Amino acid sequence: DAGVIQSPRHEVTEMGQEVTLRCKPISGHNSLFWYRQTMMRGLELLIYFNNNVPIDDSGMPEDRFSAKMPNASFSTLKIQPSEPRDSAVYFCASSFLPGERTDTQYFGPGTRLTVL
Amino acid sequence: AQKITQTQPGMFVQEKEAVTLDCTYDTSDQSYGLFWYKQPSSGEMIFLIYQGSYDEQNATEGRYSLNFQKARKSANLVISASQLGDSAMYFCAMREGLGAQKLVFGQGTRLTINP
Repeated sequence: DAGVIQSPRHEVTEMGQEVTLRCKPISGHNSLFWYRQTMMRGLELLIYFNNNVPIDDSGMPEDRFSAKMPNASFSTLKIQPSEPRDSAVYFCASSFLPGERTDTQYFGPGTRLTVL
Repeated sequence: AQKITQTQPGMFVQEKEAVTLDCTYDTSDQSYGLFWYKQPSSGEMIFLIYQGSYDEQNATEGRYSLNFQKARKSANLVISASQLGDSAMYFCAMREGLGAQKLVFGQGTRLTINP
């Protein structure tokens, strides 16, 4: 079975440009999570969705960040305008809620974003 | 206050030895879940093992086991018979509260297995 798919795997952009990260969750999963990983702050949850509805976006750093989930198999995280401090690895994860006892989140390979 | 504390930034272990990675947590909830993930140098996050707060037995998954000491609020990961491929970052994470989904991660431990 395919795992969580993220694209692009690497993105290099210049400050001020718009960046769109994409995620396809595991088929059948109904919860989707966006995380950011940096050396300074570690892994942080940005936002998560249940059944395509945003549930908690308290981790979104500021208005430059937005996330959408138009259907059960696709989500985007957009940064506009991007800044150098947004450079990080962005992970998407999915799980099935309710269901397996653990509601384990399975992660995609991540997108390494560099903003120059 | 830190919700998840991993006190070992780095560990070096000889191949085939067992290794214990420490994790302590802080919560006032009775219902919570504890997770361990592995992050190799390639960057992906790999789920290893889960322990629920009401589970009476320590979780095991192959060479991985979780030493769950509820009163001490610790959930240490034990890897038996370590292999070179176990070299990676290891993260402990917690989900607290009934029905909660948000995971909070520790800072991680970098494990290096020496041949």
